[in-house]
Amino acid sequence: NAGVTQTPKFQVLKTGQSMTLQCAQDMNHEYMSWYRQDPGMGLRLIHYSVGAGITDQGEVPNGYNVSRSTTEDFPLRLLSAAPSQTSVYFCASGRGPQHFGDGTRLSIL
Amino acid sequence: EDKVVQSPLSLVVHEGDTVTLNCSYEVTNFRSLLWYKQEKKAPTFLFMLTSSGIEKKSGRLSSILDKKELFSILNITATQTGDSAVYLCAVVAAGGTSYGKLTFGQGTILTVHP
Repeated sequence: NAGVTQTPKFQVLKTGQSMTLQCAQDMNHEYMSWYRQDPGMGLRLIHYSVGAGITDQGEVPNGYNVSRSTTEDFPLRLLSAAPSQTSVYFCASGRGPQHFGDGTRLSIL
Repeated sequence: EDKVVQSPLSLVVHEGDTVTLNCSYEVTNFRSLLWYKQEKKAPTFLFMLTSSGIEKKSGRLSSILDKKELFSILNITATQTGDSAVYLCAVVAAGGTSYGKLTFGQGTILTVHP
């Protein structure tokens, strides 16, 4: 019963570095999404995908890229990390209710 | 722009108290409203509400939706320390490519003291 798996769980980056947060689901869901969670702001949608090959922007897409080549995987790329991207990132799959991964805690120095 | 507002933002109670958490929304294309509980890690699903006036209940937790006044409440009776968490409300969009898209409120931080 893996559900939604996110890696890594923790990461520290320097400003300007790039990295990819991985997300995989084994429930055959078409819909997947990425959120960031900052104190006092709930979860904000970064990007989402309604199926392989189809992605769209959410509320806070700047500085992030996504692609969806398979149903299972939906990686999130930080192109050039900035301190403002320090946050906890959640991946989710399914359409209401969504199933969430355990999150990646990312710090940008 | 879709908007979800939760109140209060934080709440401190003692074990045995009853609490009511509020969620109001303004969305273009409403499909359903979700409540989640978040402790240390991922949000865990509590309720999905689609129709007005029908209470959903699970143990000491219950929730109801009012689609005319655009709000929902989450009630927790006889609170326990294990109820301490962030409670998140989210609205699910309907139709087209936005179908399934969630808009979250800020969350309510509930602290239950022994």
